[in-house]
Amino acid sequence: EVQLLESGGGLVQPGGSLRLSCAASGFTFSDYGMNWVRQAPGKGLQWVSAISGSGDSTFYPDSVKGRFTISRDNSKSTLYLHMNSLRVEDTALYYCAKEKGHRLPCDHWGQGAQVTVSS
Amino acid sequence: ETVLTQSPATLSLSPGERATLSCRASQSVGSFLAWYQQKPGQAPRLLIYDASNRASGIPARFSGSGSGTDFTLTISSLEPEDFAVYYCQQRSHSWTFGQGTKVEI
Repeated sequence: EVQLLESGGGLVQPGGSLRLSCAASGFTFSDYGMNWVRQAPGKGLQWVSAISGSGDSTFYPDSVKGRFTISRDNSKSTLYLHMNSLRVEDTALYYCAKEKGHRLPCDHWGQGAQVTVSS
Repeated sequence: ETVLTQSPATLSLSPGERATLSCRASQSVGSFLAWYQQKPGQAPRLLIYDASNRASGIPARFSGSGSGTDFTLTISSLEPEDFAVYYCQQRSHSWTFGQGTKVEI
């Protein structure tokens, strides 16, 4: 059974940094691209970043490019999201999600890690 | 950025009725469109990928159609567990999501 467990969320001041982790199990981690998707309170879904199975390729929307960095450690089956220069509008539930196949939509999702950016 | 516009924002139906949800893209996304279902307090669940392919374990009452800029998710006969929010997502030009359609009783 595929399991994705996010951790590392919390309260941070504007301009601060945070690192999210996602521990994966139940599949060959290095065979699949992974993504982070966030959801602000009461709002819709927003894609945040993606990384290939090898970790060689990363993708970001303009809204987080230069501030967020996605990475992975395939030896630990763990995905990361390093977030810098956090803004109030980055407040959201951050989901870790596994791609169904190469750049295909995500067929398994974690339960999310809450990030709150507030002074 | 490719903008996805979903309509209607809210769909009020009864169990057993047919639901038709629309997703329109601001530019062609080919067939690279997916549909997700999200219930309160839960993570999204993949229903349909590449416009018309049902994901694993998804009941046959869910079907997707369309290509280019206009897409439809159809639920042939609503079950009580189908009342939820539905999102479309494109993967042709980066990734973006629609704003969601709430299917309510």
